[in-house]
Amino acid sequence: DGGITQSPKYLFRKEGQNVTLSCEQNLNHDAMYWYRQDPGQGLRLIYYSQIVNDFQKGDIAEGYSVSREKKESFPLTVTSAQKNPTAFYLCASRLQVAANTGELFFGEGSRLTVL
Amino acid sequence: DAKTTQPPSMDCAEGRAANLPCNHSTISGNEYVYWYRQIHSQGPQYIIHGLKNNETNEMASLIITEDRKSSTLILPHATLRDTAVYYCIVRAARGATNKLIFGTGTLLAVQP
Repeated sequence: DGGITQSPKYLFRKEGQNVTLSCEQNLNHDAMYWYRQDPGQGLRLIYYSQIVNDFQKGDIAEGYSVSREKKESFPLTVTSAQKNPTAFYLCASRLQVAANTGELFFGEGSRLTVL
Repeated sequence: DAKTTQPPSMDCAEGRAANLPCNHSTISGNEYVYWYRQIHSQGPQYIIHGLKNNETNEMASLIITEDRKSSTLILPHATLRDTAVYYCIVRAARGATNKLIFGTGTLLAVQP
């Protein structure tokens, strides 16, 4: 079945360590997104990518990095520079070229806890 | 993309219609209204979207006012499984940035 797979679902990290969250989609979608969600809050955009080998910063990109070497993959690295990394991370994708049917498809999320 | 305003929470009795409002008074002519919902600790799920006309699908109906400054998502027969946070967002179909901005949404609690 087509969809978006995020891994790991739960992750614990010590302060000062980098960690990479995986996001893979087999929907042949062009655009991919990373959001962060804190308890009781909405989603905040970290990075997004509209095509392979290109990506743009969202509203809270500091302390994060991404790559888009393949259409189906958009990994997010949470670096030690991110001051408050404990959060729920959501990856999403959408079919770029669609005019009005480009809804977002989300993964199930990765919950990162910094100890 | 225009900003949206939603009430933070609403209650609804099981089996009754749930009507979730959204204000988007600064919406532009080329911006669509999208609704998503998020069940606790899961990824958001697309529900419905529209531009001017009312829309209906198997999940819900979307009513957009004539001036397009507000809309209402209707779940015709709410069930306990509809308890979730509902997000209303507006975005252009071919936005230059493709940024999709989510607010804090409405927590709908369906009561037995």
